[in-house]
Amino acid sequence: AQSVAQPEDQVNVAEGNPLTVKCTYSVSGNPYLFWYVQYPNRGLQFLLKYITGDNLVKGSYGFEAEFNKSQTSFHLKKPSALVSDSALYFCAVRDFMDSNYQLIWGAGTKLIIKP
Amino acid sequence: DAGVIQSPRHEVTEMGQEVTLRCKPISGHNSLFWYRQTMMRGLELLIYFNNNVPIDDSGMPEDRFSAKMPNASFSTLKIQPSEPRDSAVYFCASTRSDTEAFFGQGTRLTVV
Repeated sequence: AQSVAQPEDQVNVAEGNPLTVKCTYSVSGNPYLFWYVQYPNRGLQFLLKYITGDNLVKGSYGFEAEFNKSQTSFHLKKPSALVSDSALYFCAVRDFMDSNYQLIWGAGTKLIIKP
Repeated sequence: DAGVIQSPRHEVTEMGQEVTLRCKPISGHNSLFWYRQTMMRGLELLIYFNNNVPIDDSGMPEDRFSAKMPNASFSTLKIQPSEPRDSAVYFCASTRSDTEAFFGQGTRLTVV
């Protein structure tokens, strides 16, 4: 069965420090992987995706993520956190072979950046 | 493109009333998803369509919920009769094969 795990409900980071939000996945075929961010009272916004190619993917707002096939992980990272990065982050996966393009979502991780 | 458009943005209704939420996906996208988000249950997939055909409605809570997609540019989610526990933010999203899913701004439903 396909699944996504975000093991941390909340991550606290001091402003200026590096941040990591973890995501691991399980799919039967090759994965398409996505990160989304949700600010309070807003919809989900796309941050970045891995489809194929370079394992390190760069996205919006200075975020990046590394695809690790052996560990089935796709952790979101940023070298220096900003208070404005505080939001809810979702990881999602889609099976490359799924012709219905169904996304499997993680439960979300609340990121809190403290000044 | 204006993105995924949902209406209304906010809806307050009394228990027992019918509620209809609307979604216009991005032109050219052939998959459409309806989600519900609450503090208690997080983000839940209710139903999704591929080429206007409902593929999986196992997430629809009960028979009071129904969704239609009469054409590629319009979908509705209907709740009849509505109950206070239906209060949530409802999101619509669309995608095609080689892109990420794009979300609308959501409809905040309050049933009193």
